[in-house]
Order: sequence, then structure tokens, then C-alpha cells
Amino acid sequence: DQQVKQNSPSLSVQEGRISILNCDYTNSMFDYFLWYKKYPAEGPTFLISISSIKDKNEDGRFTVFLNKSAKHLSLHIVPSQPGDSAVYFCAATQLSGTYKYIFGTGTRLKVLA
Amino acid sequence: KAGVTQTPRYLIKTRGQQVTLSCSPISGHRSVSWYQQTPGQGLQFLFEYFSETQRNKGNFPGRFSGRQFSNSRSEMNVSTLELGDSALYLCASSLGTGRGYTFGSGTRLTVV
Repeated sequence: DQQVKQNSPSLSVQEGRISILNCDYTNSMFDYFLWYKKYPAEGPTFLISISSIKDKNEDGRFTVFLNKSAKHLSLHIVPSQPGDSAVYFCAATQLSGTYKYIFGTGTRLKVLA
Repeated sequence: KAGVTQTPRYLIKTRGQQVTLSCSPISGHRSVSWYQQTPGQGLQFLFEYFSETQRNKGNFPGRFSGRQFSNSRSEMNVSTLELGDSALYLCASSLGTGRGYTFGSGTRLTVV
């Protein structure tokens, strides 16, 4: 039972354009969400997070949107740069519960120069 | 401050053997979680230790076990290795409040 889903395994975007990565979840008890970026041969690195009390969080070129009614979150990267090419994982947890993070299967983003 | 350190980086084992992987968390972090990453499966949660106690467990068979020491260092053990256990094993440490992890670079295990 995949509680966190990233339905697009890959995405290609032209440099300078917007990249939109999507993530859906099924567990309505999740109240904290994160995005991680992973380069080959390295561990995932934290990118941005959002609490369920918010619907948007912004950090530089990265913005995460949360739609609780649709159980959907998205990561926008504007403008996209070649160095953003990596695998992006979304993750969800229940801060009031187990603290266990459930990760999606990842989306490989390729930013074309 | 030093990051999360996992050893070894690479490991090749044969079917039926057992293996122990090690993780040293960031100083002051009391929670250590383990994940298995395979192509197409994302990061699958194995277990989490907090102050030497297993706090959470994923859906893996009993061949996968772990422990945490008083200095927060953690080990993961896999017994009777199978070909399907070939994966990148990632360790992540945190303060234990749930607000994000810091991952190590992982141990690449290949079972032949």
C-alpha cells in the first residue's frame, strides 16, 4: 500500500522554465511534508518542507504547495537550472504520531541546457 | 559539524551470508532511521531507533534487524542474504521531533 505516490517517474524541462513535481498521498493523518533531492552516489538532501496548517511555503527558487482536500502537494522550481537535475522525493509524516517518514518513489528531473 | 557517516560505502556478499552495516549520526541526534532504496521502489522504511529503543518498524522480514548503542550509533544486520536484498541502504539521523532527517551517503550492498 503506497501511501505516498509520485506518478511521474521522470520529467524533462528546459533551462529557465518552471519545473513542477507532483506528489499525492492517501493518509489524511499526515501533517508534515518534505521534499528531498538526491544526486547519484549521495544520500538525499533536504530541500523544503510544509506543515499542514499552511498551503504554501517558499524558499528562493523552490515553492511547495499543499492542497489538503485533494491530498496533493507539488514542488515548483523557478527558474530551473541544469544543477537541479536529480531525483526528487516527497515524504510525509504524522508529527503528532509516529514521526515515521513515508517516501514516494521519486521523480527524476532533467533540466536541459 | 560532521554529517551522518555510513560504513562501508560498498559491499559485495554472496547469498546466504549475513551483513552488518554501520551508521554514526550527527552529534546530538538521538534518532536513527534506516531506509532501503531500490530502483522503482523509492525509499522503503526499515526501522527507526530513538534512545536505543526501536520506535518504528517497516514491513520487512525478520531477517532485517537493527540496534542502537548508547552513543546513538546504529547498526543494521541482514541475515541469510537474498539476491533481492541488493540495494542502497540509507541511514538518516534527526533530533527525533519529526522535523526532517539528515541522510548519510548510504551503503551499496550487492548480493551475488
